[in-house]
Amino acid sequence: AQKITQTQPGMFVQEKEAVTLDCTYDTSDPSYGLFWYKQPSSGEMIFLIYQGSYDQQNATEGRYSLNFQKARKSANLVISASQLGDSAMYFCAMGLFNNAGNMLTFGGGTRLMVKP
Amino acid sequence: NAGVTQTPKFRILKIGQSMTLQCAQDMNHNYMYWYRQDPGMGLKLIYYSVGAGITDKGEVPNGYNVSRSTTEDFPLRLELAAPSQTSVYFCASSLGSNIQYFGAGTRLSVL
Repeated sequence: AQKITQTQPGMFVQEKEAVTLDCTYDTSDPSYGLFWYKQPSSGEMIFLIYQGSYDQQNATEGRYSLNFQKARKSANLVISASQLGDSAMYFCAMGLFNNAGNMLTFGGGTRLMVKP
Repeated sequence: NAGVTQTPKFRILKIGQSMTLQCAQDMNHNYMYWYRQDPGMGLKLIYYSVGAGITDKGEVPNGYNVSRSTTEDFPLRLELAAPSQTSVYFCASSLGSNIQYFGAGTRLSVL
């Protein structure tokens, strides 16, 4: 069975600083994808970034980058130059590509609070 | 540019009542999903569909039913609502095994 672990229930970061949100995963399947979603207080789920298990380079999307360490089974999200609007819940998720549905398994989330 | 649309946004049910949560997407995605999110938790998959006429159970399917008669629509049916079904329900869609895009959610309370 797949498992996603986010060990930081809550984090503070100063505005304009960088922050790393931790995510470790467990799967025996060699083909999978790792996703990060942002959930602001309004409740919607916003896709941020994706990393495939066979991708050689770490994914980047604007101020978001994914620090993918396959041997350690970690997929940490790095947010550079934090903004007040980054305050939200962040969820790491994993999907397997060996089935028909690409069902996502989510971690418990990390609440990020950006201080002015 | 609607994406994934869920209705209603909020609903209060009495124990034993039934209801259908509606989900529609206009992105021509073949895969659709229903998740639930309990307070302070991550999302858990209820049901998913890889195309019209094809559905399958996820991690927490008990107490729910789905159907997929068209590519666009994927309604979730709650029969005999129970307090344990109080949650926020999210519908999502994707083009194959790709990024899932979520609707705004339906907040359901069963009292």
